[in-house]
Amino acid sequence: NAGVTQTPKFRILKIGQSMTLQCTQDMNHNYMYWYRQDPGMGLKLIYYSVGAGITDKGEVPNGYNVSRSTTEDFPLRLELAAPSQTSVYFCASRFSLAGDEQYFGPGTRLTVT
Amino acid sequence: KNQVEQSPQSLIILEGKNCTLQCNYTVSPFSNLRWYKQDTGRGPVSLTIMTFSENTKSNGRYTATLDADTKQSSLHITASQLSDSASYICVVIRFYGNNRLAFGKGNQVVVIP
Repeated sequence: NAGVTQTPKFRILKIGQSMTLQCTQDMNHNYMYWYRQDPGMGLKLIYYSVGAGITDKGEVPNGYNVSRSTTEDFPLRLELAAPSQTSVYFCASRFSLAGDEQYFGPGTRLTVT
Repeated sequence: KNQVEQSPQSLIILEGKNCTLQCNYTVSPFSNLRWYKQDTGRGPVSLTIMTFSENTKSNGRYTATLDADTKQSSLHITASQLSDSASYICVVIRFYGNNRLAFGKGNQVVVIP
């Protein structure tokens, strides 16, 4: 299994541009998550999904959108990028039970200038 | 106010020495507590998962303790190695709710030869 994969690894955007961060997992996990991690801060939940076709907002959803058309993929869309969205973005997944381990992807480092 | 507080924020230890990291939380109702290791530029990787009834759990040279009464956890690293240099993140999971995971900011550990 490749686990959780994310692309791209790095990206620089200009203010106002849009992009999609890709996330794929091959473990047949139901739950998928998007987090952002700012320097010296804990991870903050942006959006999550409990299964294909079902998504919900996390702690910091403004400026982002997600979709979950398949079990494997959970892309994160940034519209009208802003400097405040400069961060490292992590995708994660887990099966379904409360005690199940959560697996993280390697992250995408995004800079908006 | 962050519901998961970790201390110390950072520490430097000599290779071969032991160290203990602290995590205090106010998350309620409690389901389980996890410690993750995050190497620089990588996604977090799970070290231990503890439920309410577990007081201690080991994973190699890592030993986690939990006191659910005082809402405190610790992660002890024995005979540290250079590869232990990382951020150690305490995550507390609520029993129910939409945003169930509360992340600490991490303990940054640097092991020097």
